[in-house]
Amino acid sequence: QQQVKQSPQSLIVQKGGISIINCAYENTAFDYFPWYQQFPGKGPALLIAIRPDVSEKKEGRFTISFNKSAKQFSLHIMDSQPGDSATYFCAASKDQGGKLIFGQGTELSVKP
Amino acid sequence: DGGITQSPKYLFRKEGQNVTLSCEQNLNHDAMYWYRQDPGQGLRLIYYSQIVNDFQKGDIAEGYSVSREKKESFPLTVTSAQKNPTAFYLCASRETRGPQETQYFGPGTRLLVL
Repeated sequence: QQQVKQSPQSLIVQKGGISIINCAYENTAFDYFPWYQQFPGKGPALLIAIRPDVSEKKEGRFTISFNKSAKQFSLHIMDSQPGDSATYFCAASKDQGGKLIFGQGTELSVKP
Repeated sequence: DGGITQSPKYLFRKEGQNVTLSCEQNLNHDAMYWYRQDPGQGLRLIYYSQIVNDFQKGDIAEGYSVSREKKESFPLTVTSAQKNPTAFYLCASRETRGPQETQYFGPGTRLLVL
Protein backbone atom coordinates (compact mmCIF):
# COMPACT_ATOMS: atom_id res chain seq x y z
CA GLN A 1 0.00 0.00 0.00
CA GLN A 2 1.47 3.30 -1.15
CA GLN A 3 1.61 5.56 1.88
CA VAL A 4 3.20 8.67 0.36
CA LYS A 5 2.06 9.85 -3.06
CA GLN A 6 4.16 12.41 -4.91
CA SER A 7 3.32 14.53 -7.94
CA PRO A 8 4.15 15.44 -10.58
CA GLN A 9 6.45 12.71 -11.83
CA SER A 10 8.39 15.24 -13.90
CA LEU A 11 8.50 19.02 -14.03
CA ILE A 12 10.04 21.53 -16.41
CA VAL A 13 10.50 25.09 -15.18
CA GLN A 14 12.16 28.12 -16.70
CA LYS A 15 15.12 29.69 -14.91
CA GLY A 16 13.86 32.14 -12.30
CA GLY A 17 10.49 30.46 -12.00
CA ILE A 18 8.90 28.66 -9.04
CA SER A 19 9.02 24.87 -8.86
CA ILE A 20 6.29 23.20 -6.82
CA ILE A 21 6.21 19.52 -5.89
CA ASN A 22 3.38 18.01 -3.88
CA CYS A 23 3.07 15.04 -1.57
CA ALA A 24 0.12 13.45 0.18
CA TYR A 25 0.24 10.90 2.98
CA GLU A 26 -2.25 8.52 4.54
CA ASN A 27 -0.92 7.66 7.97
CA THR A 28 -1.85 10.36 10.50
CA ALA A 29 0.83 9.01 12.84
CA PHE A 30 3.59 10.39 10.61
CA ASP A 31 5.39 13.20 12.40
CA TYR A 32 8.47 13.94 10.32
CA PHE A 33 8.49 15.04 6.68
CA PRO A 34 11.85 15.49 4.92
CA TRP A 35 12.70 16.27 1.32
CA TYR A 36 15.73 14.74 -0.34
CA GLN A 37 17.53 15.90 -3.48
CA GLN A 38 19.32 13.46 -5.77
CA PHE A 39 21.62 14.24 -8.69
CA PRO A 40 22.12 11.62 -11.42
CA GLY A 41 24.35 8.74 -10.34
CA LYS A 42 24.58 9.99 -6.75
CA GLY A 43 22.90 9.17 -3.48
CA PRO A 44 20.12 11.44 -2.18
CA ALA A 45 20.93 14.23 0.29
CA LEU A 46 18.64 15.86 2.84
CA LEU A 47 17.40 19.23 1.59
CA ILE A 48 14.91 20.42 4.19
CA ALA A 49 12.53 18.85 6.71
CA ILE A 50 9.48 19.81 8.78
CA ARG A 51 7.54 18.52 11.77
CA PRO A 52 3.74 19.04 11.98
CA ASP A 53 3.91 21.62 14.76
CA VAL A 54 4.59 24.31 12.12
CA SER A 55 2.88 25.00 8.80
CA GLU A 56 5.87 26.32 6.93
CA LYS A 57 9.65 26.14 7.00
CA LYS A 58 11.98 28.13 4.80
CA GLU A 59 15.67 27.65 4.12
CA GLY A 60 17.05 29.97 1.48
CA ARG A 61 15.14 29.42 -1.76
CA PHE A 62 13.50 26.24 -0.48
CA THR A 63 10.22 26.22 1.46
CA ILE A 64 8.09 23.38 2.81
CA SER A 65 4.38 24.10 3.24
CA PHE A 66 2.51 21.67 5.47
CA ASN A 67 -1.26 21.16 5.70
CA LYS A 68 -2.02 18.74 8.52
CA SER A 69 -5.79 18.63 7.98
CA ALA A 70 -5.38 17.81 4.29
CA LYS A 71 -2.49 15.44 4.98
CA GLN A 72 -0.41 17.18 2.34
CA PHE A 73 2.94 18.90 2.15
CA SER A 74 4.78 20.56 -0.67
CA LEU A 75 8.22 21.81 -1.65
CA HIS A 76 8.55 25.23 -3.27
CA ILE A 77 11.78 26.23 -4.98
CA MET A 78 11.89 29.97 -5.58
CA ASP A 79 14.03 31.52 -8.34
CA SER A 80 14.74 28.06 -9.75
CA GLN A 81 18.20 27.62 -11.26
CA PRO A 82 19.63 25.08 -13.73
CA GLY A 83 21.73 23.73 -10.87
CA ASP A 84 18.48 22.73 -9.12
CA SER A 85 17.85 20.17 -11.88
CA ALA A 86 17.65 16.88 -9.97
CA THR A 87 15.20 14.31 -8.69
CA TYR A 88 13.36 15.29 -5.51
CA PHE A 89 11.86 12.83 -3.06
CA CYS A 90 9.45 13.57 -0.27
CA ALA A 91 9.33 11.19 2.66
CA ALA A 92 7.54 10.61 5.94
CA SER A 93 8.21 8.76 9.16
CA LYS A 94 6.66 8.27 12.57
CA ASP A 95 8.28 8.15 16.00
CA GLN A 96 11.87 9.23 16.31
CA GLY A 97 14.04 6.76 14.47
CA GLY A 98 11.15 5.33 12.49
CA LYS A 99 11.49 4.06 8.95
CA LEU A 100 11.30 6.62 6.16
CA ILE A 101 8.58 6.04 3.57
CA PHE A 102 9.56 7.72 0.30
CA GLY A 103 7.41 9.15 -2.45
CA GLN A 104 8.01 8.07 -6.04
CA GLY A 105 10.19 11.08 -6.89
CA THR A 106 9.91 14.12 -9.17
CA GLU A 107 12.44 14.77 -11.88
CA LEU A 108 12.93 18.54 -12.10
CA SER A 109 14.51 20.19 -15.10
CA VAL A 110 15.21 23.92 -14.98
CA LYS A 111 15.74 25.41 -18.44
CA PRO A 112 18.13 28.35 -18.86
CA ASP B 1 36.81 12.82 5.62
CA GLY B 2 33.61 11.38 7.06
CA GLY B 3 30.95 9.65 5.05
CA ILE B 4 29.57 6.48 3.59
CA THR B 5 31.38 4.44 1.02
CA GLN B 6 29.84 1.79 -1.19
CA SER B 7 31.64 -0.63 -3.44
CA PRO B 8 31.77 -1.58 -6.15
CA LYS B 9 30.21 1.21 -8.21
CA TYR B 10 29.03 -1.33 -10.80
CA LEU B 11 28.45 -5.03 -10.22
CA PHE B 12 27.52 -7.73 -12.67
CA ARG B 13 25.73 -10.87 -11.56
CA LYS B 14 25.41 -14.13 -13.42
CA GLU B 15 22.34 -16.33 -13.16
CA GLY B 16 22.31 -18.34 -9.93
CA GLN B 17 25.10 -16.32 -8.36
CA ASN B 18 25.08 -14.57 -4.98
CA VAL B 19 26.77 -11.18 -4.87
CA THR B 20 27.65 -8.95 -1.94
CA LEU B 21 27.52 -5.17 -1.90
CA SER B 22 29.75 -3.38 0.56
CA CYS B 23 28.71 -0.44 2.74
CA GLU B 24 31.07 1.23 5.22
CA GLN B 25 30.55 4.36 7.34
CA ASN B 26 32.88 6.33 9.59
CA LEU B 27 30.18 8.63 10.96
CA ASN B 28 29.76 6.61 14.16
CA HIS B 29 26.04 6.18 13.45
CA ASP B 30 24.16 3.31 15.05
CA ALA B 31 21.42 2.94 12.44
CA MET B 32 22.06 1.83 8.87
CA TYR B 33 19.76 1.10 5.93
CA TRP B 34 19.69 -0.54 2.50
CA TYR B 35 17.39 0.77 -0.20
CA ARG B 36 16.64 -0.32 -3.72
CA GLN B 37 15.91 2.33 -6.34
CA ASP B 38 14.06 1.57 -9.56
CA PRO B 39 12.92 4.19 -12.10
CA GLY B 40 9.62 5.77 -11.09
CA GLN B 41 9.37 3.84 -7.81
CA GLY B 42 11.31 5.92 -5.38
CA LEU B 43 13.41 4.25 -2.71
CA ARG B 44 12.19 1.00 -1.20
CA LEU B 45 13.60 -0.29 2.08
CA ILE B 46 15.26 -3.72 1.92
CA TYR B 47 16.78 -4.12 5.42
CA TYR B 48 17.74 -1.89 8.28
CA SER B 49 19.79 -2.16 11.44
CA GLN B 50 19.33 0.00 14.52
CA ILE B 51 22.37 -1.39 16.31
CA VAL B 52 25.22 -3.85 15.92
CA ASN B 53 24.21 -7.53 15.76
CA ASP B 54 20.58 -6.63 15.10
CA PHE B 55 18.66 -6.04 11.87
CA GLN B 56 15.08 -6.09 10.60
CA LYS B 57 13.42 -6.76 7.28
CA GLY B 58 12.13 -3.83 5.32
CA ASP B 59 9.39 -3.82 2.71
CA ILE B 60 11.16 -5.87 0.04
CA ALA B 61 13.55 -8.21 1.92
CA GLU B 62 12.85 -11.38 -0.11
CA GLY B 63 15.95 -12.54 -1.95
CA TYR B 64 18.32 -10.41 0.14
CA SER B 65 20.34 -10.96 3.31
CA VAL B 66 22.45 -8.72 5.54
CA SER B 67 24.80 -8.85 8.51
CA ARG B 68 25.84 -6.25 11.07
CA GLU B 69 28.88 -7.58 12.89
CA LYS B 70 30.55 -4.18 13.15
CA LYS B 71 29.13 -0.71 13.67
CA GLU B 72 30.93 0.57 10.59
CA SER B 73 29.85 -2.12 8.17
CA PHE B 74 26.48 -3.29 6.80
CA PRO B 75 26.99 -5.55 3.75
CA LEU B 76 24.05 -6.63 1.58
CA THR B 77 23.98 -9.98 -0.22
CA VAL B 78 21.75 -10.35 -3.25
CA THR B 79 20.98 -14.04 -3.45
CA SER B 80 20.00 -16.15 -6.43
CA ALA B 81 16.46 -16.12 -5.03
CA GLN B 82 16.13 -12.45 -6.08
CA LYS B 83 14.76 -12.89 -9.59
CA ASN B 84 14.89 -9.26 -10.65
CA PRO B 85 18.01 -7.80 -9.04
CA THR B 86 18.83 -5.16 -11.65
CA ALA B 87 18.60 -1.85 -9.77
CA PHE B 88 20.53 0.95 -8.08
CA TYR B 89 21.29 0.04 -4.46
CA LEU B 90 21.77 2.72 -1.83
CA CYS B 91 23.13 2.39 1.68
CA ALA B 92 22.46 5.02 4.32
CA SER B 93 23.15 5.75 7.97
CA ARG B 94 21.06 7.91 10.27
CA GLU B 95 21.97 10.80 12.52
CA THR B 96 19.52 12.30 15.01
CA ARG B 97 20.12 15.84 16.33
CA GLY B 98 17.24 17.16 18.36
CA PRO B 99 14.14 17.29 16.14
CA GLN B 100 16.06 16.65 12.92
CA GLU B 101 16.85 13.21 11.61
CA THR B 102 19.16 12.92 8.64
CA GLN B 103 19.88 9.88 6.57
CA TYR B 104 23.26 10.13 4.88
CA PHE B 105 23.46 8.14 1.67
CA GLY B 106 26.40 6.52 -0.04
CA PRO B 107 27.07 6.95 -3.79
CA GLY B 108 25.27 3.71 -4.65
CA THR B 109 26.03 0.47 -6.44
CA ARG B 110 24.41 -0.32 -9.77
CA LEU B 111 23.75 -4.04 -10.14
CA LEU B 112 23.29 -5.54 -13.57
CA VAL B 113 22.47 -9.10 -14.57
CA LEU B 114 24.53 -10.76 -17.31
